[in-house]
Amino acid sequence: EAQVTQNPRYLITVTGKKLTVTCSQNMNHEYMSWYRQDPGLGLRQIYYSMNVEVTDKGDVPEGYKVSRKEKRNFPLILESPSPNQTSLYFCASKAGVHGYTFGSGTRLTVV
Amino acid sequence: DQQVKQNSPSLSVQEGRISILNCDYTNSMFDYFLWYKKYPAEGPTFLISISSIKDKNEDGRFTVFLNKSAKHLSLHIVPSQPGDSAVYFCAARAPKQFGAGTQVVVTP
Repeated sequence: EAQVTQNPRYLITVTGKKLTVTCSQNMNHEYMSWYRQDPGLGLRQIYYSMNVEVTDKGDVPEGYKVSRKEKRNFPLILESPSPNQTSLYFCASKAGVHGYTFGSGTRLTVV
Repeated sequence: DQQVKQNSPSLSVQEGRISILNCDYTNSMFDYFLWYKKYPAEGPTFLISISSIKDKNEDGRFTVFLNKSAKHLSLHIVPSQPGDSAVYFCAARAPKQFGAGTQVVVTP
C-alpha cells in the first residue's frame, strides 16, 4: 500500500530536549515536505526537499532542521524544542498533479 | 502572509442539501488548485483539483468552480452526506499554500 508513515503519533516532551520525528514514504517520490497545522492558520510548510541531499526552507523553518540522506526518509529534527512548537505535524510526499500524500500526523506537546 | 484564504472556519448543513465552501487567493500566478479533506486523527487526503485553464471540474458529488477574475474558487458537495463531515483545505500547487480550513458538519 502506498503510504507516508510518521512516528511517533503522539509525543510529549520538555523544553530543550532534542527530538526527531521520522517520516518514510514507499512511493519513490522525489519531493517531500513537512507541515505544521495550527488553529486558524491551516497548514504551513516548514521545510521541503526536492530530492536526496536537496532541502530548502518553507514558510516557518525557525527552530527546525531536516535531512534527506535517502529518498524514502525525511526526518524532522527539533534541536531545542520550545512550547511554541506545540502543534500537529504532517509529513507529505508528492508526485504528479494530484498533490500530496500525507502521513497521519504527529501531535507534539512541548511543556 | 496567507495567499490562500478560507474565511469560513465552519459550515453546518443538513444531509441531502448542498455544501458550498469558499476559498480566495491573492497571487494571480497560481495556476492549479486542490481541495483536501481531513478527518480527525488522519492526514489530509486529496479530493479534487482544477487547473486555471478551466472554470469547472466535477467528480461525482464534488464540483470545484474557479473564477480567475475574482481570484475565487468554491467547492460544492451535492448532496451532502454525514460522511462528508470533515475539515476541508483549499490549496494552491507550488508554491505550497494552504488555506486555514473549513470544518463541515453534516447533520441528519
